[in-house]
Amino acid sequence: GESVGLHLPTLSVQEGDNSIINCAYSNSASDYFIWYKQESGKGPQFIIDIRSNMDKRQGQRVTVLLNKTVKHLSLQIAATQPGDSAVYFCAEKPGNQFYFGTGTSLTVIP
Amino acid sequence: NAGVTQTPKFQVLKTGQSMTLQCAQDMNHEYMSWYRQDPGMGLRLIHYSVGAGITDQGEVPNGYNVSRSTTEDFPLRLLSAAPSQTSVYFCASSYQTKGDTQYFGPGTRLTVL
Repeated sequence: GESVGLHLPTLSVQEGDNSIINCAYSNSASDYFIWYKQESGKGPQFIIDIRSNMDKRQGQRVTVLLNKTVKHLSLQIAATQPGDSAVYFCAEKPGNQFYFGTGTSLTVIP
Repeated sequence: NAGVTQTPKFQVLKTGQSMTLQCAQDMNHEYMSWYRQDPGMGLRLIHYSVGAGITDQGEVPNGYNVSRSTTEDFPLRLLSAAPSQTSVYFCASSYQTKGDTQYFGPGTRLTVL
């Protein structure tokens, strides 16, 4: 099966600081990647996506970086806010199926 | 749009019982899928469908059946519930099969005693 891993299971940051969440993926055939945010008791919520023909994509306060050489994905959150506290998942898609990482729990300290 | 809806939100079953988890979307999405989420294991794909009348197995299909008679609905059936099927189940949909964002429902928390 696929292996999508996160380097750190938990991350704590001060409010206002930038957060970086990392993800390693294993299938070089993956051509589409998504970051999701999941709050307690809710379903995953789309944050940002990137296709394999791109290295970087920016959204509102979020940036995703893709390094295909080392099969690494990162999510950067600028000026982290208490509402950003959640579990963040990366997912890769080599075909018709998504493969998800186990998640990183982000805690924002006021 | 209501998006992706799931019922019930919570369910308790006894070993051997059967039940159906309902999933519906009103976005005219072709692609629908079912995941289970267990602590420390992330989301794992159970079954998916690329359109009405077409279904396929995911990573962990055993013990589950699906059908896709309409574009809107994608029910998940547990034939004979086992404690190992205690989990949170999420349904998701997307417009296209490839390279498109999946939208998730709120989940069904299932406990099998």
